[in-house]
Amino acid sequence: AQSVTQLGSHVSVSEGALVLLRCNYSSSVPPYLFWYVQYPNQGLQLLLKYTSAATLVKGINGFEAEFKKSETSFHLTKPSAHMSDAAEYFCAVSDKNSGYALNFGKGTSLLVT
Amino acid sequence: DAMVIQNPRYQVTQFGKPVTLSCSQTLNHNVMYWYQQKSSQAPKLLFHYYDKDFNNEADTPDNFQSRRPNTSFCFLDIRSPGLGDAAMYLCATSRVTGPQETQYFGPGTRLLVL
Repeated sequence: AQSVTQLGSHVSVSEGALVLLRCNYSSSVPPYLFWYVQYPNQGLQLLLKYTSAATLVKGINGFEAEFKKSETSFHLTKPSAHMSDAAEYFCAVSDKNSGYALNFGKGTSLLVT
Repeated sequence: DAMVIQNPRYQVTQFGKPVTLSCSQTLNHNVMYWYQQKSSQAPKLLFHYYDKDFNNEADTPDNFQSRRPNTSFCFLDIRSPGLGDAAMYLCATSRVTGPQETQYFGPGTRLLVL
């Protein structure tokens, strides 16, 4: 099954600083990748998704991610962090073997100080 | 607004006492998923429906069952909850199955087993 790995279970940034959350995928075929955000005690909300149309994907709330095949990466960035960005972020890949359900990474908790 | 609704948001049950969690959607999507998310872990797929076609994950315990009486509703039944079943249960929908399809999540039901 296709999978993703998120590096860093916790990331702390200052308000106004760059946010970088790392995600690497493991796939021998072009993956379809997603970033979701989860606020405390809430469901998941789609930030953005990569569908091979463009390597730089812009999402909601000022987030974007760049698909780099050479690095098998799909890192999430935001130029300037806001306090409201504090949440859990999940990278995910759709799994053909499970009805294209999502295989999630372990998540990265973003703290904004 | 079209949405995915889960009731209740919080559910407390006793060890071994059957419990049912509910999910409804106004998106008219064909596919409904149930995920289990334990504390500080990633969501894990339990099963999904494509219309009335039920698809169980190989490692989903038999203790977990699901029903989808119509397009809008899907239920998760836990026949004999154990302490290890305490988790957030997330319902999600998508229009169809496909690698690019976005899944829309409900707010989740947090289950506590006493």
